[in-house]
Amino acid sequence: DTGVSQNPRHKITKRGQNVTFRCDPISEHNRLYWYRQTLGQGPEFLTYFQNEAQLEKSRLLSDRFSAERPKGSFSTLEIQRTEQGDSAMYLCASSSTQGYQETQYFGPGTRLLVL
Amino acid sequence: AQTVTQSQPEMSVQEAETVTLSCTYDTSESDYYLFWYKQPPSRQMILVIRQEAYKQQNATENRFSVNFQKAAKSFSLKISDSQLGDAAMYFCAYRTGNEKLTFGTGTRLTIIP
Repeated sequence: DTGVSQNPRHKITKRGQNVTFRCDPISEHNRLYWYRQTLGQGPEFLTYFQNEAQLEKSRLLSDRFSAERPKGSFSTLEIQRTEQGDSAMYLCASSSTQGYQETQYFGPGTRLLVL
Repeated sequence: AQTVTQSQPEMSVQEAETVTLSCTYDTSESDYYLFWYKQPPSRQMILVIRQEAYKQQNATENRFSVNFQKAAKSFSLKISDSQLGDAAMYFCAYRTGNEKLTFGTGTRLTIIP
Protein backbone atom coordinates (compact mmCIF):
# COMPACT_ATOMS: atom_id res chain seq x y z
CA ASP A 1 0.00 0.00 0.00
CA THR A 2 1.61 3.24 -1.17
CA GLY A 3 -0.88 5.68 0.32
CA VAL A 4 -3.03 8.24 -1.43
CA SER A 5 -1.65 9.39 -4.78
CA GLN A 6 -2.59 12.42 -6.86
CA ASN A 7 -1.80 13.37 -10.43
CA PRO A 8 -0.56 15.64 -11.74
CA ARG A 9 1.45 17.16 -8.91
CA HIS A 10 1.58 20.53 -10.66
CA LYS A 11 -0.60 22.11 -13.31
CA ILE A 12 -0.23 25.47 -15.02
CA THR A 13 -3.07 26.56 -17.25
CA LYS A 14 -4.45 29.66 -18.88
CA ARG A 15 -7.63 31.29 -17.71
CA GLY A 16 -10.66 29.76 -19.38
CA GLN A 17 -9.14 26.33 -19.91
CA ASN A 18 -10.49 23.13 -18.36
CA VAL A 19 -8.37 21.00 -16.04
CA THR A 20 -8.83 17.56 -14.52
CA PHE A 21 -7.11 16.09 -11.49
CA ARG A 22 -6.99 12.49 -10.42
CA CYS A 23 -6.88 10.94 -6.95
CA ASP A 24 -6.16 7.28 -6.18
CA PRO A 25 -7.11 6.47 -2.58
CA ILE A 26 -5.72 3.78 -0.31
CA SER A 27 -7.13 0.61 -1.85
CA GLU A 28 -9.46 -0.56 0.92
CA HIS A 29 -10.81 2.92 1.71
CA ASN A 30 -14.43 3.52 0.80
CA ARG A 31 -14.51 7.27 1.55
CA LEU A 32 -12.77 9.89 -0.55
CA TYR A 33 -12.59 13.63 0.16
CA TRP A 34 -11.49 16.66 -1.83
CA TYR A 35 -10.17 19.81 -0.13
CA ARG A 36 -8.76 23.08 -1.45
CA GLN A 37 -5.92 24.91 0.25
CA THR A 38 -4.90 28.46 -0.60
CA LEU A 39 -1.66 30.03 0.51
CA GLY A 40 -1.51 30.66 4.25
CA GLN A 41 -4.81 28.92 4.95
CA GLY A 42 -5.96 25.56 6.18
CA PRO A 43 -7.62 23.15 3.78
CA GLU A 44 -11.29 23.77 3.03
CA PHE A 45 -13.72 20.98 2.29
CA LEU A 46 -15.07 20.68 -1.24
CA THR A 47 -16.86 17.33 -1.51
CA TYR A 48 -16.76 13.71 -0.48
CA PHE A 49 -17.78 10.26 -1.72
CA GLN A 50 -18.73 7.05 -0.05
CA ASN A 51 -18.01 4.40 -2.64
CA GLU A 52 -19.36 5.93 -5.87
CA ALA A 53 -21.99 8.13 -4.21
CA GLN A 54 -21.27 11.83 -3.77
CA LEU A 55 -22.70 12.55 -0.32
CA GLU A 56 -21.94 16.22 0.27
CA LYS A 57 -20.80 19.24 -1.71
CA SER A 58 -19.57 22.51 -0.24
CA ARG A 59 -20.91 25.85 -1.37
CA LEU A 60 -17.31 26.45 -2.52
CA LEU A 61 -17.95 23.93 -5.28
CA SER A 62 -19.45 26.18 -7.94
CA ASP A 63 -21.10 24.80 -11.05
CA ARG A 64 -17.73 24.99 -12.81
CA PHE A 65 -16.48 22.20 -10.56
CA SER A 66 -17.47 18.58 -10.92
CA ALA A 67 -16.19 15.49 -9.17
CA GLU A 68 -16.74 11.85 -9.94
CA ARG A 69 -15.84 8.51 -8.50
CA PRO A 70 -17.32 6.18 -11.11
CA LYS A 71 -16.40 2.77 -9.74
CA GLY A 72 -15.83 3.66 -6.13
CA SER A 73 -12.07 3.60 -6.59
CA PHE A 74 -10.22 6.60 -8.06
CA SER A 75 -11.82 10.02 -8.31
CA THR A 76 -11.49 12.94 -10.69
CA LEU A 77 -12.03 16.63 -10.02
CA GLU A 78 -12.65 18.79 -13.07
CA ILE A 79 -12.65 22.55 -13.18
CA GLN A 80 -14.19 24.13 -16.27
CA ARG A 81 -13.41 27.64 -17.52
CA THR A 82 -10.70 28.15 -14.92
CA GLU A 83 -10.33 31.52 -13.22
CA GLN A 84 -7.30 33.01 -11.48
CA GLY A 85 -9.08 32.55 -8.16
CA ASP A 86 -8.99 28.79 -8.70
CA SER A 87 -5.21 28.82 -8.15
CA ALA A 88 -4.66 26.67 -5.07
CA MET A 89 -3.48 23.29 -3.83
CA TYR A 90 -6.14 20.61 -4.30
CA LEU A 91 -5.86 17.87 -1.71
CA CYS A 92 -7.43 14.44 -1.74
CA ALA A 93 -7.90 12.28 1.34
CA SER A 94 -9.33 8.82 1.92
CA SER A 95 -10.63 6.88 4.87
CA SER A 96 -12.38 3.68 5.79
CA THR A 97 -15.65 3.45 7.69
CA GLN A 98 -14.68 -0.03 8.89
CA GLY A 99 -13.94 0.03 12.57
CA TYR A 100 -14.23 3.14 14.69
CA GLN A 101 -10.92 4.81 13.96
CA GLU A 102 -11.90 6.61 10.79
CA THR A 103 -8.85 8.71 10.05
CA GLN A 104 -8.40 10.65 6.84
CA TYR A 105 -5.09 10.10 5.05
CA PHE A 106 -3.99 12.79 2.65
CA GLY A 107 -2.28 12.70 -0.70
CA PRO A 108 0.52 15.08 -1.74
CA GLY A 109 -1.87 17.41 -3.54
CA THR A 110 -2.08 18.97 -6.99
CA ARG A 111 -0.91 22.56 -7.18
CA LEU A 112 -2.87 24.54 -9.76
CA LEU A 113 -1.72 27.88 -11.15
CA VAL A 114 -4.10 29.74 -13.44
CA LEU A 115 -2.44 32.46 -15.51
CA ALA B 1 -21.25 26.28 11.97
CA GLN B 2 -18.19 24.75 13.52
CA THR B 3 -15.06 26.88 13.60
CA VAL B 4 -11.48 26.15 14.57
CA THR B 5 -9.15 28.93 15.70
CA GLN B 6 -5.38 28.83 15.90
CA SER B 7 -4.24 32.14 17.35
CA GLN B 8 -0.49 31.62 16.85
CA PRO B 9 0.48 32.07 13.19
CA GLU B 10 4.13 31.33 14.00
CA MET B 11 6.03 29.71 16.84
CA SER B 12 9.68 28.87 17.34
CA VAL B 13 11.45 26.61 19.80
CA GLN B 14 15.01 25.60 20.54
CA GLU B 15 15.92 22.06 19.58
CA ALA B 16 15.29 19.62 22.47
CA GLU B 17 12.94 22.06 24.20
CA THR B 18 9.16 21.82 24.63
CA VAL B 19 6.58 23.88 22.76
CA THR B 20 2.81 24.12 23.01
CA LEU B 21 0.54 25.04 20.10
CA SER B 22 -2.92 26.39 20.89
CA CYS B 23 -6.28 25.58 19.32
CA THR B 24 -9.82 26.49 20.25
CA TYR B 25 -13.01 25.41 18.54
CA ASP B 26 -16.66 26.19 18.58
CA THR B 27 -19.36 23.54 18.34
CA SER B 28 -22.76 22.67 19.71
CA GLU B 29 -22.14 18.96 19.21
CA SER B 30 -21.34 16.65 22.12
CA ASP B 31 -19.72 13.87 20.12
CA TYR B 32 -16.82 14.84 17.88
CA TYR B 33 -13.17 14.24 17.12
CA LEU B 34 -10.18 16.55 17.19
CA PHE B 35 -6.94 16.17 15.29
CA TRP B 36 -3.53 17.71 14.86
CA TYR B 37 -2.06 17.38 11.39
CA LYS B 38 1.48 18.28 10.36
CA GLN B 39 2.29 19.62 6.90
CA PRO B 40 6.05 19.73 6.24
CA PRO B 41 7.50 21.85 3.44
CA SER B 42 6.84 18.97 0.99
CA ARG B 43 3.17 19.70 1.82
CA GLN B 44 1.83 16.18 2.41
CA MET B 45 -0.51 16.34 5.40
CA ILE B 46 0.35 13.79 8.11
CA LEU B 47 -1.77 12.91 11.13
CA VAL B 48 0.05 13.63 14.38
CA ILE B 49 -2.54 12.80 17.01
CA ARG B 50 -6.30 12.45 17.48
CA GLN B 51 -8.66 12.83 20.42
CA GLU B 52 -12.20 11.56 20.81
CA ALA B 53 -14.36 14.06 22.70
CA TYR B 54 -15.95 11.36 24.85
CA LYS B 55 -12.57 10.34 26.25
CA GLN B 56 -11.42 12.27 29.30
CA GLN B 57 -7.86 10.99 29.04
CA ASN B 58 -5.56 13.15 26.95
CA ALA B 59 -4.09 11.41 23.90
CA THR B 60 -0.34 10.81 23.69
CA GLU B 61 1.84 9.66 20.81
CA ASN B 62 5.50 9.44 21.73
CA ARG B 63 6.77 13.05 22.04
CA PHE B 64 3.37 14.50 21.15
CA SER B 65 0.58 14.98 23.66
CA VAL B 66 -2.58 17.04 23.87
CA ASN B 67 -4.31 19.01 26.59
CA PHE B 68 -8.01 18.58 25.86
CA GLN B 69 -10.31 20.87 27.86
CA LYS B 70 -13.82 20.04 26.66
CA ALA B 71 -15.66 22.66 28.69
CA ALA B 72 -13.29 25.38 27.49
CA LYS B 73 -13.32 23.96 23.92
CA SER B 74 -9.54 24.00 23.91
CA PHE B 75 -7.21 21.45 22.32
CA SER B 76 -3.51 22.28 22.57
CA LEU B 77 -0.59 20.23 21.26
CA LYS B 78 2.59 19.80 23.26
CA ILE B 79 5.75 18.71 21.50
CA SER B 80 8.49 17.53 23.84
CA ASP B 81 12.19 17.21 22.98
CA SER B 82 11.68 19.16 19.75
CA GLN B 83 13.61 17.88 16.74
CA LEU B 84 14.58 19.54 13.48
CA GLY B 85 12.15 17.24 11.66
CA ASP B 86 9.27 18.74 13.63
CA ALA B 87 9.52 21.95 11.61
CA ALA B 88 6.26 22.27 9.67
CA MET B 89 2.83 23.87 9.54
CA TYR B 90 0.58 22.38 12.19
CA PHE B 91 -3.16 22.34 11.66
CA CYS B 92 -5.80 21.70 14.26
CA ALA B 93 -8.93 20.06 12.85
CA TYR B 94 -12.41 19.07 14.00
CA ARG B 95 -14.82 16.45 12.77
CA THR B 96 -18.22 15.06 13.71
CA GLY B 97 -19.20 11.56 12.70
CA ASN B 98 -17.60 10.24 9.55
CA GLU B 99 -17.64 13.54 7.80
CA LYS B 100 -15.50 16.39 6.61
CA LEU B 101 -12.67 17.95 8.55
CA THR B 102 -12.80 21.62 9.50
CA PHE B 103 -9.30 23.07 9.80
CA GLY B 104 -7.79 26.05 11.54
CA THR B 105 -5.48 28.44 9.74
CA GLY B 106 -2.35 26.72 11.00
CA THR B 107 0.75 27.49 13.08
CA ARG B 108 4.15 27.54 11.43
CA LEU B 109 6.66 25.91 13.78
CA THR B 110 10.35 26.67 13.42
CA ILE B 111 12.99 24.64 15.24
CA ILE B 112 16.12 26.57 16.18
CA PRO B 113 19.26 24.38 16.19
